[in-house]
Amino acid sequence: NAGVTQTPKFRILKIGQSMTLQCTQDMNHNYMYWYRQDPGMGLKLIYYSVGAGITDKGEVPNGYNVSRSTTEDFPLRLELAAPSQTSVYFCASSYPGEAQPQHFGDGTRLSIL
Amino acid sequence: TQLLEQSPQFLSIQEGENLTVYCNSSSVFSSLQWYRQEPGEGPVLLVTVVTGGEVKKLKRLTFQFGDARKDSSLHITAAQPGDTGLYLCAGPNTPLVFGKGTRLSVIA
Repeated sequence: NAGVTQTPKFRILKIGQSMTLQCTQDMNHNYMYWYRQDPGMGLKLIYYSVGAGITDKGEVPNGYNVSRSTTEDFPLRLELAAPSQTSVYFCASSYPGEAQPQHFGDGTRLSIL
Repeated sequence: TQLLEQSPQFLSIQEGENLTVYCNSSSVFSSLQWYRQEPGEGPVLLVTVVTGGEVKKLKRLTFQFGDARKDSSLHITAAQPGDTGLYLCAGPNTPLVFGKGTRLSVIA
C-alpha cells in the first residue's frame, strides 16, 4: 500500500499565482486533513473532512479552499498565493474514532516569492 | 478547546544521555497519542495510551499516561542520533488536537 501520497513534493510560486496540492490515500479512510508547518514550528490545521462531500475549517483556513468528491482524494487549493503561505503542507488520513492514528504524507514544500 | 502544552520546546543533548519530555493539559483526555517527525518527513505514530497510569515501552522509549489522564511523559534512555526529531503529543478529538512539540537534537 502507498498510504498517503502528496504531489508535488516541491514547488515555487510567484505572488498571486494559484495552485492545487494533491493528496490521495488508498487506505479507505473516511477522515482526511490538511496541515501546514512553518519552519521550526508544530502543525496547524487548515481544513479537514469526515467524508466525501463534507469539509470543515480548521485553525488557519484563510487563503485556502478544499473539496472532497471521493473518499480517496482531498486536494487543497491556493487561489492567490502570498508569501505568508510559504510552508510545508502535510496531508493526513484516519479512520473514525478518537484513538485512531493519523497517517501522514511526506509533505509538499511550497515557497512563494 | 482542549489545549496541550509540551515542554521543553527545544532540547539538545549528547548521545548516550537520558531525557524526558512532557505533555500537559488542564483537561482530562480519554487517550493520548505520541508522534515523532523526523527531518523532511511527516509525523509517524509511536504509541497511544488510553488508561490512567499506563506505561508503554517501545525499545528505549517509555511512555507514561498520568493517573488523572491530564498529562503524559516520554522518557528516552541512552539517546541516539537517530532519535533526533520533533515529538508531538495529540489528544483525541475530531480533528486531533496537537501540541506544539518538543524538538530534540541528539549530538554524536
